[in-house]
Amino acid sequence: DQQVKQNSPSLSVQEGRISILNCDYTNSMFDYFLWYKKYPAEGPTFLISISSIKDKNEDGRFTVFLNKSAKHLSLHIVPSQPGDSAVYFCAATSNTGKLIFGQGTTLQVKP
Amino acid sequence: EADIYQTPRYLVIGTGKKITLECSQTMGHDKMYWYQQDPGMELHLIHYSYGVNSTEKGDLSSESTVSRIRTEHFPLTLESARPSHTSQYLCASSVSYEQYFGPGTRLTVT
Repeated sequence: DQQVKQNSPSLSVQEGRISILNCDYTNSMFDYFLWYKKYPAEGPTFLISISSIKDKNEDGRFTVFLNKSAKHLSLHIVPSQPGDSAVYFCAATSNTGKLIFGQGTTLQVKP
Repeated sequence: EADIYQTPRYLVIGTGKKITLECSQTMGHDKMYWYQQDPGMELHLIHYSYGVNSTEKGDLSSESTVSRIRTEHFPLTLESARPSHTSQYLCASSVSYEQYFGPGTRLTVT
């Protein structure tokens, strides 16, 4: 039973446009959500996070939105740059501290 | 940002060999983790530790073992490698919710 799902395996956008990556979860006990970026042959890099008491968190070009009623979060990247091309993982956790990851979405930003 | 190191980065080894994947961090984080990840799949937690002499199995069953004798060091050992162990192994550490990852070890068992 997959508790965190990223239903889009891949996404392609034009440079300068907005990238929207989506993530759904099933466990209502999750209270903290994170996004990671991963290049091939490297470890994931932490991007941005959001607590369940908020519905939006912004850091530069990256904004994460949380809709608790829909159990849905999204990562917006604007403007998208070719260097953003990577695999993006969302992750969720409760008070256990263990992260549950989605399968990842491969983002390609075309020049 | 955490400094966390993994060696080797790449390892090709024959079936039946014993291997140890090294992971070290310099941030003094109490919590450390090992994940296994295959292409196109999520990261699966296989071991974690919340401090020295504390280790627990993760959500994905694994034939590997770990030890935590020092805060900064969290090695993973496979006593007898098999082709099914071929994967990327990622080590992470944390002090709160955010986990910081090493570069990973790509293991191939022939």
